[in-house]
Amino acid sequence: GAVVSQHPSWVICKSGTSVKIECRSLDFQATTMFWYRQFPKQSLMLMATSNEGSKATYEQGVEKDKFLINHASLTLSTLTVTSAHPEDSSFYICSAYPGQGDSPLHFGNGTRLTVT
Amino acid sequence: DQQVKQNSPSLSVQEGRISILNCDYTNSMFDYFLWYKKYPAEGPTFLISISSIKDKNEDGRFTVFLNKSAKHLSLHIVPSQPGDSAVYFCAAITSGTYKYIFGTGTRLKVLA
Repeated sequence: GAVVSQHPSWVICKSGTSVKIECRSLDFQATTMFWYRQFPKQSLMLMATSNEGSKATYEQGVEKDKFLINHASLTLSTLTVTSAHPEDSSFYICSAYPGQGDSPLHFGNGTRLTVT
Repeated sequence: DQQVKQNSPSLSVQEGRISILNCDYTNSMFDYFLWYKKYPAEGPTFLISISSIKDKNEDGRFTVFLNKSAKHLSLHIVPSQPGDSAVYFCAAITSGTYKYIFGTGTRLKVLA
């Protein structure tokens, strides 16, 4: 159980366009989801906390107008990279909290974004 | 400021031997620690966790040890198998929050 699905798994887009990444909890409801970013050979860095029905909470240094997060339902959060630039190329991973005590976060399989 | 550190970027171990992956942290407010395994182009998969009230947690071939005074934890895999080859991340949180702080990862290669 506690499966998190992320789509697409990879995307290539042109500079200046926007890209939407979806994160779904398939067999549980997630009031809170998290978006991470990973650069090559580096750690997973938390970008923002996505709260169902309310505004996302962004980590310091993350541009909220650049990375739009919408958590419209208990099973879906989306991350939109707006006006993408090559420096936005990265591996983006979402995770969701199953909501059971000390249950660990479950992660999606990530999205490899390449901006040309 | 890297609050969670994995000082060994890579480790090679012979199949059947023990793999020991280390992790250090600086924030004394962390009270729950987790290890995740990650294959390329995939999301991390949860392996094992430990609460700060314990100093050891075991699950099959995986054992996590916590030394609070040293702010150090380690993951032992024994016996190591080729399928264990992956990048291992430790993560730390403060109870009541789900703001995971990850280390930089250690790439484990188990040689057949």
